[in-house]
Amino acid sequence: GESVGLHLPTLSVQEGDNSIINCAYSNSASDYFIWYKQESGKGPQFIIDIRSNMDKRQGQRVTVLLNKTVKHLSLQIAATQPGDSAVYFCAENGGNAGNMLTFGGGTRLMVKP
Amino acid sequence: DSGVTQTPKHLITATGQRVTLRCSPRSGDLSVYWYQQSLDQGLQFLIQYYNGEERAKGNILERFSAQQFPDLHSELNLSSLELGDSALYFCASSARQGWETQYFGPGTRLLVL
Repeated sequence: GESVGLHLPTLSVQEGDNSIINCAYSNSASDYFIWYKQESGKGPQFIIDIRSNMDKRQGQRVTVLLNKTVKHLSLQIAATQPGDSAVYFCAENGGNAGNMLTFGGGTRLMVKP
Repeated sequence: DSGVTQTPKHLITATGQRVTLRCSPRSGDLSVYWYQQSLDQGLQFLIQYYNGEERAKGNILERFSAQQFPDLHSELNLSSLELGDSALYFCASSARQGWETQYFGPGTRLLVL
């Protein structure tokens, strides 16, 4: 079936460096993508989203890039901080009825001081 | 704090039993979603309700059922529980049912012994 996946299960970066978390999706009908951050013991927290008619969207210290040609999504975090340490999930809403999200497997980001 | 509340926070029960998980959406949100997060399956969409009506169904077992009440809170009922049902159960809400951000609650951790 259709799925959303991540290339790297764990990413370790130095505090202050930029982080890039990647995600591949297989549903060509996907038209809405979201990145969530999940800290230990908490629910997923919305970070940023992007619609399929856009290639790039920026937030505060975060940027999401969408490449529809190769069905690839990435989350860039600038000046990574210890508080950014968490598991990051990409999710897609493949134009389905309702608004169900299909989540990737998650990438753990570890920030070294 | 996302504004979505879930009770109870933790639940321990035995196989064969039935439990009810409760969710209150953010004020004004009409859609409620239920997700299951387990170690081997990741975050999986279960079911969506919009303004009291079932809107979309995912990988929800027949032993599981849900409903959304007139005050828009939702309950997820899990019956004939098995060891494999042990997981985190998240509720999310959104304003309507289209391409919208889903805000997640803190989750209910279910342990079936």
